[in-house]
Amino acid sequence: QSALTQPASVSGSPGQSITISCTGTSSDVGGYNYVSWYQQHPGEAPKLMIHDVSSRPSGVSNRFSGSKSGNTASLTISGLQAEDEADYYCSSYTSSSTRLFGGGTKLTVL
Amino acid sequence: EVQLVESGGGLVQPGRSLRLSCAASGFTIGDYAMHWVRQAPGKGLEWVSGISWNSGVIVYADSVKGRFTISRDNAKNSLYLQMNSLRAEDTALYYCAKVVRGGYAFDYWGQGTLVTVSS
Repeated sequence: QSALTQPASVSGSPGQSITISCTGTSSDVGGYNYVSWYQQHPGEAPKLMIHDVSSRPSGVSNRFSGSKSGNTASLTISGLQAEDEADYYCSSYTSSSTRLFGGGTKLTVL
Repeated sequence: EVQLVESGGGLVQPGRSLRLSCAASGFTIGDYAMHWVRQAPGKGLEWVSGISWNSGVIVYADSVKGRFTISRDNAKNSLYLQMNSLRAEDTALYYCAKVVRGGYAFDYWGQGTLVTVSS
């Protein structure tokens, strides 16, 4: 059960767009449309931002979008805002009915 | 309003046991799968265990299999994690999380309970 692979950090200026990748295998990311993304601010619990690859829960800004190609899923944040600065984690359902998280990506808004 | 409140964490010696609880309110826990996720200090999220709505399906991460046991009491709207043979590497903030209806993502999380394994 190796963790999904995410870049350790990404950065962008206000108003710009950034994309965070999440790479797994055909037994998790590539095999199911059950990738989710979570935002975590320091000292807070994670918050669901995207589920089922590209679905946004009610209340989540449409600046957040998700996609998947093969074994790699992606989270894109457009119109970057200061409040988007946080850690982001991807997660996937697996062929063993377990879950895997990525190592996390620290987003810095310059 | 959906709320999840974890309890039972604390300082414990290696090899000892601890039982975590998660009290749910604002929804009927018996309608949803529930999971435990942990986060070691300064580290990322690690999925620990999950249980289906009727306890028919139970899964564990390899790192805790054989040592941890997840259970639920739908009548008490509660989720539990029995942790035995604790190791230093089990030190983490433990979150309980509710699964989104009909899906696999976690839409509500508690604030976590801290488990510290140290002599």
